[in-house]
Amino acid sequence: NAGVMQNPRHLVRRRGQEARLRCSPMKGHSHVYWYRQLPEEGLKFMVYLQKENIIDESGMPKERFSAEFPKEGPSILRIQQVVRGDSAAYFCASSPLGTHTDTQYFGPGTRLTVL
Amino acid sequence: GDSVTQMEGPVTLSEEAFLTINCTYTATGYPSLFWYVQYPGEGLQLLLKATKADDKGSNKGFEATYRKETTSFHLEKGSVQVSDSAVYFCALSFNAGGTSYGKLTFGQGTILTVHP
Repeated sequence: NAGVMQNPRHLVRRRGQEARLRCSPMKGHSHVYWYRQLPEEGLKFMVYLQKENIIDESGMPKERFSAEFPKEGPSILRIQQVVRGDSAAYFCASSPLGTHTDTQYFGPGTRLTVL
Repeated sequence: GDSVTQMEGPVTLSEEAFLTINCTYTATGYPSLFWYVQYPGEGLQLLLKATKADDKGSNKGFEATYRKETTSFHLEKGSVQVSDSAVYFCALSFNAGGTSYGKLTFGQGTILTVHP
């Protein structure tokens, strides 16, 4: 059973460009979480999605950031008009049940660098 | 809101030394508690977890007990190895007001370095 897949692993963008980060959850998992890790900091929750639904986006900036998890295909975290402060590692995690006792399985992350 | 506080690092130990990494939390409901480990350049891996008060999680020689009275979940290992060098994160999940899901709140992480 393949683990959580994220691509690309490394992404370089210039200020003002768009960044698209993809996450394929583990087989059988319908709950996806996105976290951001800024340099020298811990992970911060961004958004929680189930198939075709955003459940909680309280950690996501109101502007420029969006997320989706379509019925078919990977979850996408989209950052429009990137700025230098968006440079970070973005981790996706998936879980089978989505409950508070459930274990989340993390992908290897996408490291975004904004020039 | 919910929060997690970990002891400040980095922590440097010699092989076979005893390890303690302190973790305390603030939560409005009844969270589950987790320790995750991150090796350089990789994602996080679950180390252990406890889902209710007085539960003890254990894995690979690491242990932590969910102490509701002190709101703590300290990580311990009796004899560390060089291969334990990594960043350790304490985390809690959301369970309050009749709503429960896996949104995690993390501590700032503790860098552990073990020398031969």
